[in-house]
Amino acid sequence: DAKTTQPTSMDCAEGRAANLPCNHSTISGNEYVYWYRQIHSQGPQYIIHGLKNNETNEMASLIITEDRKSSTLILPHATLRDTAVYYCIVRVADTGNQFYFGTGTSLTVIP
Amino acid sequence: EPEVTQTPSHQVTQMGQEVILRCVPISNHLYFYWYRQILGQKVEFLVSFYNNEISEKSEIFDDQFSVERPDGSNFTLKIRSTKLEDSAMYFCASSQGWGANVLTFGAGSRLTVL
Repeated sequence: DAKTTQPTSMDCAEGRAANLPCNHSTISGNEYVYWYRQIHSQGPQYIIHGLKNNETNEMASLIITEDRKSSTLILPHATLRDTAVYYCIVRVADTGNQFYFGTGTSLTVIP
Repeated sequence: EPEVTQTPSHQVTQMGQEVILRCVPISNHLYFYWYRQILGQKVEFLVSFYNNEISEKSEIFDDQFSVERPDGSNFTLKIRSTKLEDSAMYFCASSQGWGANVLTFGAGSRLTVL
């Protein structure tokens, strides 16, 4: 079962930052936080991952609290194409363990 | 950028027929996965495959399902006798098995069982 809790849905105005929270209070020391998104019925798309430090790539930033019990995915300038379901997943990295997809957060970017 | 490719994109079949869904994982990846998503529901894990054998499978992956890596590039999911409830999107994924071990997913194969 998913080890994360996310809000069911969120709205964000186009051009503004979208901040998507995730709680993972039972995360283990060797588990990473991964974020994926799914646009319509397409395959899940990797966004970003992190262990302890904050991370940034061309798509998003990931802010992980010091106790690692929660994190926030930030899309700095949301566009209509960012409308999707966003999944926060915790997992040990270097194994073949599966990713558990919960229900995620349905983000709607509003013009 | 390397990608996972899946065929067919959409298959319609009659109940009771056998279906094979095909996937070409990223070439240097070692772990392979099948997931499915029934319309309006969560993405569900079916099976993972490593070193030519199943490494993990879910309760969904019963005797009707099988996976195979018939050659060095393809990874297949076979459903022996399809049921109406097998109608879903089936996603193949692969990962390196080391480092961040990010799963890369294909675009999916839509299976419709009539």
